[in-house]
Amino acid sequence: AQSVSQHNHHVILSEAASLELGCNYSYGGTVNLFWYVQYPGQHLQLLLKYFSGDPLVKGIKGFEAEFIKSKFSFNLRKPSVQWSDTAEYFCAVNAAGGFKTIFGAGTRLFVKA
Amino acid sequence: DAGVTQSPTHLIKTRGQQVTLRCSPISGHKSVSWYQQVLGQGPQFIFQYYEKEERGRGNFPDRFSARQFPNYSSELNVNALLLGDSALYLCASSLENGMTSYFGQGTRLTVV
Repeated sequence: AQSVSQHNHHVILSEAASLELGCNYSYGGTVNLFWYVQYPGQHLQLLLKYFSGDPLVKGIKGFEAEFIKSKFSFNLRKPSVQWSDTAEYFCAVNAAGGFKTIFGAGTRLFVKA
Repeated sequence: DAGVTQSPTHLIKTRGQQVTLRCSPISGHKSVSWYQQVLGQGPQFIFQYYEKEERGRGNFPDRFSARQFPNYSSELNVNALLLGDSALYLCASSLENGMTSYFGQGTRLTVV
């Protein structure tokens, strides 16, 4: 069965610090990978996605993620966080053409101004 | 364009009652998925419907059922509510299977 593991449940950073959130998945076939963000009081929004091609994908608001197939990982990065990045971040995976998207437990990021 | 809309936004039910939650997908999207999000956890997959047929089901009891209508809107039904069914229920739509899902605001269900 597919599963997604996010390594950090809570992260606290100061503004301008660099961010890396870990995500590992278990599935042997071709996958589509996603990072979603949920800002306080708002609905889940797509941050970035990987379907195929360049394993380094860029998303909105300066976020990027790298797909490393050999490590079954899809880590999210941002060189310099802002206070407005305070949110909960979810990694998700589905089998290419599959019927369900599996989410990780989420990482709560708090950025201190 | 309107996003995914869900109704109602909040709901309080008593144990043993039944509840129906509604979802309207983004125009043109044929796939609708339902998720349950308990506080502190990520969304848990319940169902996916595509072209009005159930295409996937998560590890939820038979008390949970859903359907998709010809206009691609969807309903999630939960019978014999338990306290543990209290959660945020999310609906997501996508153009096709495995494509990007767009989420609604969710329905907050409280069972007392």
